[in-house]
Parts: sequence; C-alpha cells; structure tokens
Amino acid sequence: DTAVSQTPKYLVTQMGNDKSIKCEQNLGHDTMYWYKQDSKKFLKIMFSYNNKELIINETVPNRFSPKSPDKAHLNLHINSLELGDSAVYFCASSQSISPPGDEQFFGPGTRLTVL
Amino acid sequence: KNQVEQSPQSLIILEGKNCTLQCNYTVSPFSNLRWYKQDTGRGPVSLTIMTFSENTKSNGRYTATLDADTKQSSLHITASQLSDSASYICVVSVGDDYKLSFGAGTTVTVRA
Repeated sequence: DTAVSQTPKYLVTQMGNDKSIKCEQNLGHDTMYWYKQDSKKFLKIMFSYNNKELIINETVPNRFSPKSPDKAHLNLHINSLELGDSAVYFCASSQSISPPGDEQFFGPGTRLTVL
Repeated sequence: KNQVEQSPQSLIILEGKNCTLQCNYTVSPFSNLRWYKQDTGRGPVSLTIMTFSENTKSNGRYTATLDADTKQSSLHITASQLSDSASYICVVSVGDDYKLSFGAGTTVTVRA
C-alpha cells in the first residue's frame, strides 16, 4: 500500500545513455512533481504536473522530459546522460496545486549514478 | 541567493537533549511554511505547517514557531531520540504562486 513509489531505486549507467525513472502514486492526488537532490542535500524542483498538465518547468536541460500518461503516473526520461546528472531524484505528489504549499508526499528516491 | 536560509548546517546532540533549528526567509508574499523531516535514504515527510496567523504548532516532541514580521521560523526538538537523526528542511510557499522555496536543510545527529 505504498503511497508514492519509484522505480528503479538505484540506477548506474554510462555517460551518453538514455534512461527513464517511473513514478506512481495511489493517493488519488491531482499534482505530481520531480525533484533533484544533489550531494549537498539541496532539493530542487524540476517539474510539476497538475491533472496531466505541465505547470512548473524550471530551468532544466531539455535532455530531461517528463511524461504523464495519467494523473497517477509521472515518468522522467533523461537523454544523453552526463556526469552532472548524478543525484537522487524524488517524485512527489500533493492533493492539488492550490493552495500553495499543500503537503507533498515523497517517494523513496532513485539514486542515479552516471559513470 | 537562496530565499530560504537554514542554520545551523549541521549539529550533533546527545540523546535526551533539546535543540532548535532556524529558518529565515525572504520570499513575499508569504503563504505558509512547512517543516519536513528526511531520514537517510528516504523521501522527506511533513512535520508541520505554519500559516501567517499561527505563532506556534506542535507535533509530538517537535514544536515549530513562526514570526511572520521578522520572517523567521524555528523547529524545536524536545528530549531528542536516536530516531530524530535526520535532515530537517524548511519550505516556504509564495502567496499566489505554485512555486516553493526550499532551504538547504539542517542535518541533526543524535548520539547515545
């Protein structure tokens, strides 16, 4: 009965490869997010989808492409992986985008290592 | 410059002792401030949320305070336990924007 799940938990790959991370939430929430947490533990938002519509798209390289097939899923595809992409990626969901600061429920994270 | 500054960056305390974490923000207009706890290898979990009109709120041994005039919040941990070892992240939401401003977190280590 996991609320927000991500797969895989660990991902080790070579520079230049393309990889995807999947996220699913079973909370019935409307809004989903992708975050990147670097080695200094700083959480930085990348994307946010509300009812499958992209509403937040921070200055992320266009090698990163989110895809939301339905409200319960938000996948992250990364092309041409670079060393600097190594980080922990968290998926999260919230009931709605409004009010601002609605509680977010985070997944367990995916540790991506690019060699 | 980050709009949410947390201090200290890290601290070590003995089990049973109290500690206080600080969060100063510059975002405006303020909507709410939330404290998250992130255990090692896990995603953050919400501890408490503070709105403009609230000065203090407790969640078990965690007590958050907010001074909206000085734009400061604190998280006080009472009678710390080993399970309190984690990073504590302050997140501030802007009045009518979807965006959130995250602090860099304070890493707390509780030693027996």
